[in-house]
Amino acid sequence: DIQLTQSPSFLSASVGDRITITCRASLAINTYLAWYQQKSGKAPKLLIYDASTLQSGVPSRFSGSGSGTEFTLTITSLQPEDFGTYYCQQLNSYPLSFGGGTEVEIK
Amino acid sequence: VQLVQSGPEVKKPGESLKISCQGSGYAFTSDWINWVRQMPGAGLEWLGRIYPSDSFTNYNASVQGHVIMSVDKPSNTAYLQWNTVKASDTAMYFCARHRGSGPALTWGQGTMVTVSS
Repeated sequence: DIQLTQSPSFLSASVGDRITITCRASLAINTYLAWYQQKSGKAPKLLIYDASTLQSGVPSRFSGSGSGTEFTLTITSLQPEDFGTYYCQQLNSYPLSFGGGTEVEIK
Repeated sequence: VQLVQSGPEVKKPGESLKISCQGSGYAFTSDWINWVRQMPGAGLEWLGRIYPSDSFTNYNASVQGHVIMSVDKPSNTAYLQWNTVKASDTAMYFCARHRGSGPALTWGQGTMVTVSS
């Protein structure tokens, strides 16, 4: 099974900051990686798929990069509504798996 | 396009349970329904998936034999059921629509399951 390790697990940043979240896979997964945002208790929302493709309707301040085993999610110019927990998910092989999550707090 | 899940459940250990996820606004039999668990204060865990057209399933080994995924095509509804629930099944359960091997495009609102004596 493929394990995904996210870092950091918690991040506190100010409005306007640029933040980066990393997701490392235990095996190479090509670019079969998605990123989701979840706000407490609600359903996750798809942000990025195929490692770098922005889902329709998602603001362009979100971007993704990487392939193989290392991936990043970047938010340029953090906005107040960007608080929440971010998860990566590998779609390369079954069982699918998620990273442990990165909680983003707005200072 | 939406997935609407059934309401919260409170069960005692050993009871049976079946929760539902009804799809609308798309061709229900053409996309996979995946189930994801989120235990209190924890992250997301993929439980498995079912293809409504032929009921083909993949289960995570962590729940294989403990849960059953099924569909009812006439009502565009997917189900997740337990014959015997345990306290450790207490969690929020989400269904999600995937197209082929792609990401979760649409999510249900979640069903909270509480198992307590």
